[in-house]
Amino acid sequence: DGGITQSPKYLFRKEGQNVTLSCEQNLNHDAMYWYRQDPGQGLRLIYYSQIVNDFQKGDIAEGYSVSREKKESFPLTVTSAQKNPTAFYLCASTSGRETNTGELFFGEGSRLTVL
Amino acid sequence: GENVEQHPSTLSVQEGDSAVIKCTYSDSASNYFPWYKQELGKGPQLIIDIRSNVGEKKDQRIAVTLNKTAKHFSLHITETQPEDSAVYFCAASGGNTPLVFGKGTRLSVIA
Repeated sequence: DGGITQSPKYLFRKEGQNVTLSCEQNLNHDAMYWYRQDPGQGLRLIYYSQIVNDFQKGDIAEGYSVSREKKESFPLTVTSAQKNPTAFYLCASTSGRETNTGELFFGEGSRLTVL
Repeated sequence: GENVEQHPSTLSVQEGDSAVIKCTYSDSASNYFPWYKQELGKGPQLIIDIRSNVGEKKDQRIAVTLNKTAKHFSLHITETQPEDSAVYFCAASGGNTPLVFGKGTRLSVIA
């Protein structure tokens, strides 16, 4: 089935460690996005990529990094510079023809807890 | 940039009653307004959207209205059912920038 796969679903890390969240899509979508979700805060954009080998910062990019080496993959690294990394992370994609005005397809999320 | 405000943050209704969630946006250039539903432990899913050339759109028990002059749009759910219980997000985009989401409304439908 076509869709977006995020892994791992749950992740624990110690303070000071970097961690990478995986996001893979087989929808042949050009654009991919990473959102962070905190209780009562909605969905806040971390990074997005509209084409391979290119990406832009969102509203809360500090302490995060991404790469887009393949169309189907958009991994997110939460670095030790992110001061409050415990959150629910959502990856999404959309077709290139409607990058910002088309349906976003979300993965099921990765919950990161910093111990 | 765009700013989207969503109200209420929580909403409880009796099964069979209607539910209304309201959003306002700040950027007059925004022209796309989707609504997403998020069930517990899952990613959001699009339930309905509206573009600025339309004032109202319906899909069975769900409807969305848009007032571009006042810069607000609303989600209406009629004949609510327990499976409507979820968190609902509104969003807005002008096309040149990614969607900006509201903070969400937790809807509880009481049987």
